Amino acid sequence: NAGVTQTPKFQVLKTGQSMTLQCAQDMNHNSMYWYRQDPGMGLRLIYYSASEGTTDKGEVPNGYNVSRLNKREFSLRLESAAPSQTSVYFCASRTWNQETQYFGPGTRLLVL
Amino acid sequence: AQSVTQLDSQVPVFEEAPVELRCNYSSSVSVYLFWYVQYPNQGLQLLLKYLSGSTLVESINGFEAEFNKSQTSFHLRKPSVHISDTAEYFCAVSVPRGTDKLIFGTGTRLQVFP
Repeated sequence: NAGVTQTPKFQVLKTGQSMTLQCAQDMNHNSMYWYRQDPGMGLRLIYYSASEGTTDKGEVPNGYNVSRLNKREFSLRLESAAPSQTSVYFCASRTWNQETQYFGPGTRLLVL
Repeated sequence: AQSVTQLDSQVPVFEEAPVELRCNYSSSVSVYLFWYVQYPNQGLQLLLKYLSGSTLVESINGFEAEFNKSQTSFHLRKPSVHISDTAEYFCAVSVPRGTDKLIFGTGTRLQVFP
């Protein structure tokens, strides 16, 4: 099993550009999450999907949209990137009867 | 609402010395507690968790944490650290049968020196 995979690993954008961060898991998990990690702030939840077909806002959803494409895939879209969105983005997943979230390796995004 | 406080942003320690990373939480309901570790340029990995039962939980690599309900703490300890323990450690909470979201602390960077 690959676990949770994320693409791309690195990305540089100019202000105003758009992009989609991809996340996939092969563990048949129900719930999936997007976090951003910033120095001194820990991880903050952007959006999550408790099950296929549902999505909900987390702590910092502004400027982002998500799509739960199917049970395996959960994408995060930046429609018009801003320098404040420079961060490391992590995707995570968990199954319904376990409390542990499993994390991907992260996407490092720089917005100029 | 729940919150997690990790008071120490950095903890420097010499190899083979003991270490304690502090975590306090705030919640009006019972919570599950977690410690995650992030090695340089990697994602987060679960180190240990407390869901119920014995208040002392252990990891496979020698770390342990004790749930203290009266002090709302879940401090992480290791009696003798190794260079390879250098990483960032995050404490987190979730609410049982709640919205299944994890609330993270701001992290503690453990730096082990030879």
